Amino acid sequence: GNSVTQMEGPVTLSEEAFLTINCTYTATGYPSLFWYVQYPGEGLQLLLKATKADDKGSNKGFEATYRKETTSFHLEKGSVQVSDSAVYFCALRSLMASGGSYIPTFGRGTSLIVHP
Amino acid sequence: SAVISQKPSRDICQRGTSLTIQCQVDSQVTMMFWYRQQPGQSLTLIATANQGSEATYESGFVIDKFPISRPNLTFSTLTVSNMSPEDSSIYLCSVEEVPGETQYFGPGTRLLVL
Repeated sequence: GNSVTQMEGPVTLSEEAFLTINCTYTATGYPSLFWYVQYPGEGLQLLLKATKADDKGSNKGFEATYRKETTSFHLEKGSVQVSDSAVYFCALRSLMASGGSYIPTFGRGTSLIVHP
Repeated sequence: SAVISQKPSRDICQRGTSLTIQCQVDSQVTMMFWYRQQPGQSLTLIATANQGSEATYESGFVIDKFPISRPNLTFSTLTVSNMSPEDSSIYLCSVEEVPGETQYFGPGTRLLVL
């Protein structure tokens, strides 16, 4: 079955530091890949996505590139801010052979704490 | 993008009782998802709900414990039945506008069972 593996947190950084959160996946077919962010006390919201190999998703200074050869979708940001403190979830959607539905698969989430 | 509201936003319940959580979407969507998120953990999919058909439950979740209604394309309810402290969690409603694409999430219902 499909799976998503994220690096364990929490990740603790100082403001303006470089961020990498690793995400690797296993999936059948050609999945779409997503990063969602959950701020304290809120639901998840889409941060960025990529739908095919070598696509780069970007938003709010965050980037992730769909690497089919390494089955990875690592999240990066050049200079984090205190306001980026949240939990980040890597996810994939792929068409399941049985039933023809796109069952979502989420990673365990990585907590990011940014200190001033 | 779809905007989703959930009611109640939080509740404290006694064991053995039931709670119904409502999910309202501002647009018509085919697929709705219900998740459970326990503190510090990832999302666990409870079931998917298509309008006009029975919900499809994931392994470990049964209809008697988590009955779901989906009366139209903008609304769904999840009931947590005969609650125990182990049901204390955040329950999230989610929808997709295009199959296999971005999911949109409600703010969640924070449930504490005493």
